[in-house]
Amino acid sequence: KAGVTQTPRYLIKTRGQQVTLSCSPISGHRSVSWYQQTPGQGLQFLFEYFSETQRNKGNFPGRFSGRQFSNSRSEMNVSTLELGDSALYLCASSLASWAGEKDTQYFGPGTRLTVL
Amino acid sequence: AQSVAQPEDQVNVAEGNPLTVKCTYSVSGNPYLFWYVQYPNRGLQFLLKYITGDNLVKGSYGFEAEFNKSQTSFHLKKPSALVSDSALYFCAVRPINDYKLSFGAGTTVTVRA
Repeated sequence: KAGVTQTPRYLIKTRGQQVTLSCSPISGHRSVSWYQQTPGQGLQFLFEYFSETQRNKGNFPGRFSGRQFSNSRSEMNVSTLELGDSALYLCASSLASWAGEKDTQYFGPGTRLTVL
Repeated sequence: AQSVAQPEDQVNVAEGNPLTVKCTYSVSGNPYLFWYVQYPNRGLQFLLKYITGDNLVKGSYGFEAEFNKSQTSFHLKKPSALVSDSALYFCAVRPINDYKLSFGAGTTVTVRA
């Protein structure tokens, strides 16, 4: 079974631009979560989607948004990019249909975003 | 709110020696606990998890972890380390009523030949 795929793998943008990252979950997985990884802040939760609904959101500004499509694929968007948005953005998928289900999140390879 | 502490930024061991990576957690209620490994320029790879039951959990690549409720710890262990185990290891916790994983800061493991 194919794993979680993320595109693109690398992105270079300039301050003020916006960017869209894409994530395709493992086949059959309906939950998709996004995390930001930086050397200073470590791994931080952005948001989680299930059946096209955002169920949980981390402490990030409104410039960070996401959505999920009917085929469970997800995108996240960052508008008005700042230098501090440079990070590895990781997507994870799981079967979880409700909070508490004993499930594992499987991660994709990430998208490395560099903001100049 | 939940939190995870990995008290060691780096662990260095010789190949063939036992490897231990420490993790303590704080969470309301019963937790789900996880270990992930990250190789350079790669995503996180799942190693093992504790849900309930036996306190000793066995995972991939010969790794195991021991859950200790009284000490709120979930240390990762491997009896005989390999050079290929050199990587960044993350401990994570998720409350049973939440979707969000909270990660520790990570521990860099270096296994020397």
